[in-house]
Amino acid sequence: GENVEQHPSTLSVQEGDSAVIKCTYSDSASNYFPWYKQELGKGPQLIIDIRSNVGEKKDQRIAVTLNKTAKHFSLHITETQPEDSAVYFCAARTPISGNTPLVFGKGTRLSVIA
Amino acid sequence: NAGVTQTPKFRVLKTGQSMTLLCAQDMNHEYMYWYRQDPGMGLRLIHYSVGEGTTAKGEVPDGYNVSRLKKQNFLLGLESAAPSQTSVYFCASSYSTGFSYNEQFFGPGTRLTVL
Repeated sequence: GENVEQHPSTLSVQEGDSAVIKCTYSDSASNYFPWYKQELGKGPQLIIDIRSNVGEKKDQRIAVTLNKTAKHFSLHITETQPEDSAVYFCAARTPISGNTPLVFGKGTRLSVIA
Repeated sequence: NAGVTQTPKFRVLKTGQSMTLLCAQDMNHEYMYWYRQDPGMGLRLIHYSVGEGTTAKGEVPDGYNVSRLKKQNFLLGLESAAPSQTSVYFCASSYSTGFSYNEQFFGPGTRLTVL
């Protein structure tokens, strides 16, 4: 089955700097790669996603890039703010059928230092 | 809309006790999921359901049972709780139409401690 590795497990950045979180996946058939943000005491929430027919997607200060050849995808957050502090999860889905659940990485705890 | 709600928010059990966690969604979603979250382990899928009356095993199903008698509800049961089941449990739901890419909506979580 699919396996998703996520790095780093913790990341600290100064406010205003950029943050990058990287994930690799094992199944070349995977075609959907979402990113979820989990704030303290809450459930994860989707912040951006990318499909395998797209190399990059941007939404204001966040962007995701996908390299299908290398089987890795990354989350980029620019001009970080204290409210970006959270745990971020990457995930992947392999379309064996429409019923295949997401496989999540182990998460990255991002701390933005004011 | 309330979205995805979970009951209870907190629970402490003794080893061997049983309990049921309730998840409810008001978005008419077909798919529902139960995850557990442990430090350093991310989100691990316990069981999921692709529709009323159907369930399937996820990555870590042992020690848990589930039921989906109504489309809007997904129950997670622990028949004989063990300390290894101490965790935060999240329920999620999503639409699904064949190969569509559908956002999962998560509940606020249930923190369970087994002594």
